[in-house]
Amino acid sequence: QVQLVQSGAEVKKPGASVKVSCKASGYTFTGYFIHWVRQAPGQGLEWLGRINPSTGGTSYARHFEDRFTMTRDKSISTSYMELSRLTSDDTAVYYCARNRYDGSGSTSVGCFDIWGQGTMVAVSS
Amino acid sequence: DIQMTQSPSSVSASVGDRVTITCRASQSISTWLAWYQQKPGKAPDLLIYSSFGLQNGVPSRFSGSGSGTDFTLTISSLQPEDFATYYCQQSKSFPWTFGQGTKVEMK
Repeated sequence: QVQLVQSGAEVKKPGASVKVSCKASGYTFTGYFIHWVRQAPGQGLEWLGRINPSTGGTSYARHFEDRFTMTRDKSISTSYMELSRLTSDDTAVYYCARNRYDGSGSTSVGCFDIWGQGTMVAVSS
Repeated sequence: DIQMTQSPSSVSASVGDRVTITCRASQSISTWLAWYQQKPGKAPDLLIYSSFGLQNGVPSRFSGSGSGTDFTLTISSLQPEDFATYYCQQSKSFPWTFGQGTKVEMK
């Protein structure tokens, strides 16, 4: 079935970097943008950015442009997000999510129809 | 950035009740609005896209409406599995932004 499976929980020290993976299966990986969204404990959802798995093109939320990197490996249908210079404010569950398209498959409808299970990233000294 | 404001922040309701959640955008977003349901410890699930489109597999008791700046999610007859937190999300312009969430609790 269509799914996104993320890597496991991480514990990092302030100033470190973290890299989370998101493996797609059950659909054509290069046909759908992948987005990253995070949720701090007890808080709401925050969009971080997206990647076009076909071209590797990315766009990021302005707030994260200098710390956030998204990449992909088409050979294994996997997207990655790396966040550097971590602080305690980065403690959150990080989700990857697939962009939903209309019935023709060619037009984005601007939302997320498949989500990964989430990866907890804890930043603590 | 477009700000999304949901109301109420929480609502207490009983099984069978009609529940309405509103979402207001800080500027017009046409119908670029989605609704999600999230249960504790789980990823969100898409309910509604493009303001009123029902996602495949979502029960018909869920419906969405609105355009421009004001939107509504309605649950026509609340079921036990509907107690959760609901989020709206705009995709008119980047960064895509979410409302702060509305928790539907058991009365």
